[in-house]
Amino acid sequence: DQQVKQNSPSLSVQEGRISILNCDYTNSMFDYFLWYKKYPAEGPTFLISISSIKDKNEDGRFTVFLNKSAKHLSLHIVPSQPGDSAVYFCAASARTGGSYIPTFGRGTSLIVHP
Amino acid sequence: ETGVTQTPRHLVMGMTNKKSLKCEQHLGHNAMYWYKQSAKKPLELMFVYSLEERVENNSVPSRFSPECPNSSHLFLHLHTLQPEDSALYLCASSRAGLGPSGANVLTFGAGSRLTVL
Repeated sequence: DQQVKQNSPSLSVQEGRISILNCDYTNSMFDYFLWYKKYPAEGPTFLISISSIKDKNEDGRFTVFLNKSAKHLSLHIVPSQPGDSAVYFCAASARTGGSYIPTFGRGTSLIVHP
Repeated sequence: ETGVTQTPRHLVMGMTNKKSLKCEQHLGHNAMYWYKQSAKKPLELMFVYSLEERVENNSVPSRFSPECPNSSHLFLHLHTLQPEDSALYLCASSRAGLGPSGANVLTFGAGSRLTVL
């Protein structure tokens, strides 16, 4: 059973508007959450993260919100740009032995139209 | 060369072949990972080598065999694969032992696209 769910396989947004990507998780032991971005023919690259002790983290146009009671996080991109078009992966991790190993969702493909 | 390098980028093999995927990182990281990406599925963790500890996903078939000779190199040995094993195989590395903020930020390679005929 998937522990990290991205229920929207795709999202289409107009340039300049807000993009909101959603992610739900089921494992209450997860204590660190990340978003990765992937362009075609490239590996995913780290975008932004948030610890479970926070409910918001902001980095430029990107903001991640965490709602622990709902086991839900979201990534907001404002304003959206055509270069943001990519697949976005949500990831969550809990300590496994001596390691923190992220569990990924299946990704949401964002298309930003000029 | 910097970052995480995977070779080959594309591989086509028959079900009776034996091949290997190679990953090399020049970031000074001490944890390395293999993930599998199939269409419309989550990135699936296959194996992790972290601080000389190996973690594996128990659902990965034995026809996939990892090898990590040192902290900079990681291999995935493939033998008698099935067509459903066709996927993008991603290698990643990170700094382990720094707590969640360091260990979770994985640097990925571009992937090896595997096709099993």
